[in-house]
Amino acid sequence: SYELTQPLSVSVALGQTARITCGGNNIGSKNVHWYQQKPGQAPVLVIYRDSNRPSGIPERFSGSNSGNTATLTISRAQAGDEADYYCQVWDSSTLWVFGGGTKLTVL
Amino acid sequence: EVQLVESGGGLVQPGGSLRLSCAASGFTFSSYWMHWVRQAPGKGLVWVSRINSDGSSTSYADSVKGRFTISRDNAKNTLYLQMNSLRAEDTAVYYCARDNEIAVAAPFDPWGQGTLVTVSS
Repeated sequence: SYELTQPLSVSVALGQTARITCGGNNIGSKNVHWYQQKPGQAPVLVIYRDSNRPSGIPERFSGSNSGNTATLTISRAQAGDEADYYCQVWDSSTLWVFGGGTKLTVL
Repeated sequence: EVQLVESGGGLVQPGGSLRLSCAASGFTFSSYWMHWVRQAPGKGLVWVSRINSDGSSTSYADSVKGRFTISRDNAKNTLYLQMNSLRAEDTAVYYCARDNEIAVAAPFDPWGQGTLVTVSS
């Protein structure tokens, strides 16, 4: 089965750049989606197909995907960006797979 | 406004059954694949099941295969999840979600607010 690996937590200073990774075997060949989930709320799509932003998502959110690692980058981090972030892919054998999630803390 | 609203969660004993519903509005429900995703307390997101646009094809995670059944009523714009033989490990918030485009491997957008299912004696 296909697995996605994320760090449990990432910390970033206010105004700096946060990078959250998502590891998977040859993940660069797959379409990676990223979701933001704040406490008590439903997940929200922030990046789709590696690097595309849905309408309403700030330009500070960007994504990349190559080799065995996909990365969600949050520039000029704000207190409101504190949340759990999940990567997701579709795999032909495992179907829809989520990473374990990363808790982003803005210091 | 595109909206998904789940209902039907609650407390159920191990071995019991429950049916969740997800009412859709603001889009052409019959055109989109739909999914159920769950999240155990303090844990991550786990995909549970999906159904294609006309209900003719379904898929399930191994953990629920044979116990859960996904279905839809396009005339009522409603998605369902029939859950049988429930176990303690099925305790979770259950979200319904829509593919955000009509394409393979589409992302999930939007999501409903979730409904809590607690399996306990």
